[in-house]
Amino acid sequence: SSGLTQDPAVTVALGQTVRITCQGDSLRRYHASWYQQKPGQAPICVLHGENHRPSGIPARFSGSKSGNTASLTITATQAEDEADYYCNSRDSSGFLLVFGSGTKVTVL
Amino acid sequence: QVRLQQWGAGVLKPSETLSLTCAVYGGSFSGYQWSWVRQPPGKGLEWIGEVNQSGGANYNPSLKSRVTISEDTSKNQFSLKLTSVTAADTAVYYCARFYDYWSGPFDYWGQGTPVTVSS
Repeated sequence: SSGLTQDPAVTVALGQTVRITCQGDSLRRYHASWYQQKPGQAPICVLHGENHRPSGIPARFSGSKSGNTASLTITATQAEDEADYYCNSRDSSGFLLVFGSGTKVTVL
Repeated sequence: QVRLQQWGAGVLKPSETLSLTCAVYGGSFSGYQWSWVRQPPGKGLEWIGEVNQSGGANYNPSLKSRVTISEDTSKNQFSLKLTSVTAADTAVYYCARFYDYWSGPFDYWGQGTPVTVSS
């Protein structure tokens, strides 16, 4: 399969840590990028490559990869982190791009 | 600062052709991949296709028979055409830059264009 699989939803208490995972065969070869999307807005990249945060993204966002699974971790989660999160990478063929199905993060 | 500005018709009838254009301001057009991504109401992101730094195009297999993505490097623009639209093509359509062919990321996005297909 060339798809990327994510859990549909996770809930985290304010100030706690949440990990979002993304599974797919293509991740054995390629790194995932991670995007945050809030209602009515375009997605923004929060992490890419091995563990690179674009300018302006807080250090509480970090990433890792093992085998076919990439993870996005939010440490000391804030209320403004409530959003949908998508992973993305090249597919196994190297010609196509794929997005994960998305994970809705709810902050209590 | 790079900015992507997109435009095109927002309401179509079934069987018509969707046509959107995205202009790139404030940065180089060459050396990057330029994609279209869509998001149906209440659903996730779907990659439609790209024109890459070599001038070639790659398409989502599920849309390949109906999609054409082209570029006009003289204007720093790229365009999407999707033929024979149906209600299933109703979505917000985004243009976006994919920075590095192998690792991305999508670092700049257009503002999104809502497209509704309805008779």
